[in-house]
Amino acid sequence: AQKITQTQPGMFVQEKEAVTLDCTYDTSDPSYGLFWYKQPSSGEMIFLIYQGSYDQQNATEGRYSLNFQKARKSANLVISASQLGDSAMYFCAMREAFDSNYQLIWGAGTKLIIKP
Amino acid sequence: GAVVSQHPSWVICKSGTSVKIECRSLDFQATTMFWYRQFPKQSLMLMATSNEGSKATYEQGVEKDKFLINHASLTLSTLTVTSAHPEDSSFYICSARELAGINEQFFGPGTRLTVL
Repeated sequence: AQKITQTQPGMFVQEKEAVTLDCTYDTSDPSYGLFWYKQPSSGEMIFLIYQGSYDQQNATEGRYSLNFQKARKSANLVISASQLGDSAMYFCAMREAFDSNYQLIWGAGTKLIIKP
Repeated sequence: GAVVSQHPSWVICKSGTSVKIECRSLDFQATTMFWYRQFPKQSLMLMATSNEGSKATYEQGVEKDKFLINHASLTLSTLTVTSAHPEDSSFYICSARELAGINEQFFGPGTRLTVL
């Protein structure tokens, strides 16, 4: 079974609009972390935001926020006031605490295109 | 944040030759480094986990004799693609794990390998 599911292969959004990228996860480990990364066409992986399973509040980093719904096992990324530079691939990833090497489990990604 | 470099950024080689890719953590010590492979429009695929001073742990389906990984110091890991063939052409990304902090993995900029 997929541990990280990103159901949107691609999205087109008008500039300045907010956008939500979906991510659902599956784990039996009570302690885990959820990450979002951005990968522009240059290929570098850029860390955006992190949410721990025990965090009471949703994580926020500037224009990025993570809508963490633990019971539904979802960790959607919300980008407010989208910009042309937000066009990129976005990956959701999970780290389970029982993995002593802290490997990341990756979703398939969502290609986001911001239209002017 | 912590910086990870990769060298070279891109390489073109002839079939049958070997190619070495370096991954360096520039301002922190990385006890664990990860090597990923990424095909176009796909997610990252973990190839191996490398711990300093010990043998790398390869993921299922990854040939350890073909993809040689050495992690001889706390700041350097190398991936050598031996007897490269066109099907080895891909984008290779390394990441390094920092001991402290929630964002334990920092990514290098990637190496694009093309085998003719």
